[in-house]
Amino acid sequence: DIQMTQSPSSLSASVGDRVTITCRASQGISNSLAWYQQKPGKAPKLLLYAASRLESGVPSRFSGSGSGTDYTLTISSLQPEDFATYYCQQYYSTPPYTFGQGTKLEIK
Amino acid sequence: EVQLVESGGGLVQPGRSLRLSCAASGFTFDDYAMHWVRQAPGKGLEWVSGISWNSGSIGYADSVKGRFTISRDNAKNSLYLQMNSLRAEDTALYYCAKGVGATTSSYFDYWGQGTLVTVSS
Repeated sequence: DIQMTQSPSSLSASVGDRVTITCRASQGISNSLAWYQQKPGKAPKLLLYAASRLESGVPSRFSGSGSGTDYTLTISSLQPEDFATYYCQQYYSTPPYTFGQGTKLEIK
Repeated sequence: EVQLVESGGGLVQPGRSLRLSCAASGFTFDDYAMHWVRQAPGKGLEWVSGISWNSGSIGYADSVKGRFTISRDNAKNSLYLQMNSLRAEDTALYYCAKGVGATTSSYFDYWGQGTLVTVSS
């Protein structure tokens, strides 16, 4: 099974900051990586897929990059509504389609 | 508008069974794979199971393999999860999620609001 290691587990930042969250797969996943945002009491929301493709309706301040085993989610200028928990998920080849442990983004 | 509505959760004793349902609308159900993802209280997301458009390909997390069975009824636009031999560690909010293609290898573009399963004596 492919393990996903996400870091950091928590992050404090201010409005306007640029933040980066990292996800590392235990083997290459050929850009089969998605990022989700989850707010308290809500279902996860898809942000990006195929490592760098922005889901329709998601603000352009969100971007993704990476290849092989290492991937990043970047928020270029944090907005108040971006404080949430973020998860990566790999969907390469066969199940299980594992998630990272999550990164809780908090207001500094 | 895509809608996924889960039902069937509740309080159940260890070792007992429960069947979750997910009613789908707003898209052509039998064109897409479907999945169950769970989230234990205060914890992260865990993919549980997925099923391809025609039920020809099915997968499970190791933690539920042999105890849970996923199925779908395309005529009823419904997804199911039969959960047997439930354990305390199965306590979670169970989400139904839509894949973006016909096969199980997918990310999830729509999620339901979840149904809570609590396993306790």
